[in-house]
Amino acid sequence: EAGVTQFPSHSVIEKGQTVTLRCDPISGHDNLYWYRRVMGKEIKFLLHFVKESKQDESGMPNNRFLAERTGGTYSTLKVQPAELEDSGVYFCASSRTGPLGNTEAFFGQGTRLTVV
Amino acid sequence: ILNVEQSPQSLHVQEGDSTNFTCSFPSSNFYALHWYRWETAKSPEALFVMTLNGDEKKKGRISATLNTKEGYSYLYIKGSQPEDSATYLCAFMTGNQFYFGTGTSLTVIP
Repeated sequence: EAGVTQFPSHSVIEKGQTVTLRCDPISGHDNLYWYRRVMGKEIKFLLHFVKESKQDESGMPNNRFLAERTGGTYSTLKVQPAELEDSGVYFCASSRTGPLGNTEAFFGQGTRLTVV
Repeated sequence: ILNVEQSPQSLHVQEGDSTNFTCSFPSSNFYALHWYRWETAKSPEALFVMTLNGDEKKKGRISATLNTKEGYSYLYIKGSQPEDSATYLCAFMTGNQFYFGTGTSLTVIP
């Protein structure tokens, strides 16, 4: 079974540019999560999809961030325009919908975003 | 805002020493507590999923306990080895969402 894959693994962009991150969850996983880890700080929740619907996007920092999950398969996270404080590692995770609490999340390798 | 705290933030131990870390989380609306191991340049990998108060889980030299009434979990490593060096993350699960702690960074010195 293929794991969660993220693309690209690294991205360096200039302030003001646009970047799109992609996450391919494990096949059959309805839940897809985006997280961000800024250097030296905790992992912060961004949003949660159940299939193609946004279940919770309370962690999205502002309207420069747009996430989509067309058809309930892969997801994209677009940052437009990027700011310096957007730098960090963006993780995607997926999990099945199962008995509440007993579902393990599988993480991708992350995309390291550097805004200069 | 849900607060999940881990302590200590970092830890250096000698090879062969046993060690433990703490994860504190809200005691209400508890669904599960997850422990993840995160090695540098890799993605976090699940160690344990704990759902019941009093749960105790073990995987080799690593074990974890859970107290949902007081809102804490301990992770123990017995006889630490250099390959145990990693960041250990706990995640509190409520509803269908995870809230992560800041992690404990463990370095095992040969």
